[in-house]
Amino acid sequence: GAVVSQHPSRVICKSGTSVKIECRSLDFQATTMFWYRQFPKQSLMLMATSNEGSKATYEQGVEKDKFLINHASLTLSTLTVTSAHPEDSSFYICSGERAGYNEQFFGPGTRLTVL
Amino acid sequence: TQLLEQSPQFLSIQEGENLTVYCNSSSVFSSLQWYRQEPGEGPVLLVTVVTGGEVKKLKRLTFQFGDARKDSSLHITAAQPGDTGLYLCAGEGTSYDKVIFGPGTSLSVIP
Repeated sequence: GAVVSQHPSRVICKSGTSVKIECRSLDFQATTMFWYRQFPKQSLMLMATSNEGSKATYEQGVEKDKFLINHASLTLSTLTVTSAHPEDSSFYICSGERAGYNEQFFGPGTRLTVL
Repeated sequence: TQLLEQSPQFLSIQEGENLTVYCNSSSVFSSLQWYRQEPGEGPVLLVTVVTGGEVKKLKRLTFQFGDARKDSSLHITAAQPGDTGLYLCAGEGTSYDKVIFGPGTSLSVIP
């Protein structure tokens, strides 16, 4: 149990375009979902925390207008990178937290490459 | 600000050797998790420890939570190439809902 999927797994786009990444909890309801980015050989950096039905809470230094997060249901959260630039290229990972548990279950990640 | 440190940062050992990875903080955590992440994939939860002094075993992996709940260790016995990966510890503070991650230990087990 506690499986999280992400789609797409890889995406390559041109600079200036927007990219949407989906994160789904497949067999549990995730009251809270988290979005991270990870650079090669580094740890996870929390970007934002989203709770179903409310606005996401962004970490310091993360532009909310550039990284749009929608948590429309207990099983789906989306991250949209707007007007992507090469410096946005990274590995984006989401996780879901089950209500009442202190554990996060991670998706497989999305590799974004902006040309 | 709560911070987690991990040591060593990198570790390369021969198959069959034992190793210990450490996760330390000056802050107290209500719970601490260990994850393993392979390249190009998301982290996979290995264990959660919540009680000071707690020891949990998962096959060849032994996890310990410090008595003061400020540190933890992961010991691997007879390492195998399949143990290769980035080991991350993550802690939830006693007054924060946010989970913070350590910088990770990159382990390479050579056949």
